Amino acid sequence: DVKVTQSSRYLVKRTGEKVFLECVQDMDHENMFWYRQDPGLGLRLIYFSYDVKMKEKGDIPEGYSVSREKKERFSLILESASTNQTSMYLCASSSPSGGVYNEQFFGPGTRLTVL
Amino acid sequence: AQSVAQPEDQVNVAEGNPLTVKCTYSVSGNPYLFWYVQYPNRGLQFLLKYITGDNLVKGSYGFEAEFNKSQTSFHLKKPSALVSDSALYFCAVRPTGANNLFFGTGTRLTVIP
Repeated sequence: DVKVTQSSRYLVKRTGEKVFLECVQDMDHENMFWYRQDPGLGLRLIYFSYDVKMKEKGDIPEGYSVSREKKERFSLILESASTNQTSMYLCASSSPSGGVYNEQFFGPGTRLTVL
Repeated sequence: AQSVAQPEDQVNVAEGNPLTVKCTYSVSGNPYLFWYVQYPNRGLQFLLKYITGDNLVKGSYGFEAEFNKSQTSFHLKKPSALVSDSALYFCAVRPTGANNLFFGTGTRLTVIP
């Protein structure tokens, strides 16, 4: 089974702090994604990556950056955390095969609170 | 613009009754369609997908979904609901040529014993 792990389940940070959210997958997937989940808004894509050192902006990249130095690891960075970044953050991975895009596999999520 | 609509924030159904969670989409081309479920304090779990072929797709835990191209819908169904089906359900679509998913806002299903 695919396993996607996230470094923290719960995180509390102060406004202005730099925050790192780490995600690791163990199935050699090419694609990795970062979403935030907010009530009534569903999941919104922040950034995704097709391959090592490659990244693409999603729907809401402002205030975030990402890093993918190794295939299995995809990090989300909040350069200067703000209270409106309090949310549930979900990482996912997937692997295209035979030209048909497979489903994404999700980690358990990190609930971030910015005070 | 690509969009996915889940018109019901909340669906309540009695245990043993059939359930339907609705999803409609607006995307260009022929989309790939997905359903995910989220249990409390957990990440999303894949339920089923439609890529091509038979319009009725069967997935995990006895769920199925019917793709209707003319109505641009992909409703999730189950013939007999269980209390353990209570969760948050998300519909998602991947437009042709895109690499990312667009998610609906989610529908909270409550199965009443």
